Amino acid sequence: DQQVKQNSPSLSVQEGRISILNCDYTNSMFDYFLWYKKYPAEGPTFLISISSIKDKNEDGRFTVFLNKSAKHLSLHIVPSQPGDSAVYFCAASEGSGIYKYIFGTGTRLKVLA
Amino acid sequence: GAVVSQHPSWVICKSGTSVKIECRSLDFQATTMFWYRQFPKQSLMLMATSNEGSKATYEQGVEKDKFLINHASLTLSTLTVTSAHPEDSSFYICSARDPGYETQYFGPGTRLLVL
Repeated sequence: DQQVKQNSPSLSVQEGRISILNCDYTNSMFDYFLWYKKYPAEGPTFLISISSIKDKNEDGRFTVFLNKSAKHLSLHIVPSQPGDSAVYFCAASEGSGIYKYIFGTGTRLKVLA
Repeated sequence: GAVVSQHPSWVICKSGTSVKIECRSLDFQATTMFWYRQFPKQSLMLMATSNEGSKATYEQGVEKDKFLINHASLTLSTLTVTSAHPEDSSFYICSARDPGYETQYFGPGTRLLVL
């Protein structure tokens, strides 16, 4: 059973426009969420995180929104740049002190110049 | 951000041999490290949680006798794939948690190809 789902395997966006990547989860015990960016044959790079006590966290061009009632989070990238082209994974962890991440299946973002 | 290294980055070995992968946290002491595996076009799957000075905790379906984990120091965890077979060919990634923070920092990964 996939506890963290990214239903869009790929997304194409024009440079300068907004990229919206979505993630859904099923486990209501998850209380910490993260987005990672990954290039082929490299490890994931941390982008941004959000705790369940917040509904929004912003860092430069990246904003993560959390809707706990819908068990949904999204990553907004604005403006999108060609260098943002990569696979984006959302991850969730449950409970303080556990620190175990469950990853989604990833969304491949392509930003077109 | 924090730096985690992995060595080697590429391994090609014959079926039946054992392969050791090292994961090091370079600028912090990691009491907890994690080992993941990623097959092509799939998600990162957690294999085990490695705690310094104690036995690793393996996820369901991961054979502890096949994937030996040693976390002998606060900056080093090793994963040994014993008697590797072609189906073990995958991309193995470690991560380390900086104490006091919840975020994990990932190594660059090790691609294993078993012939």
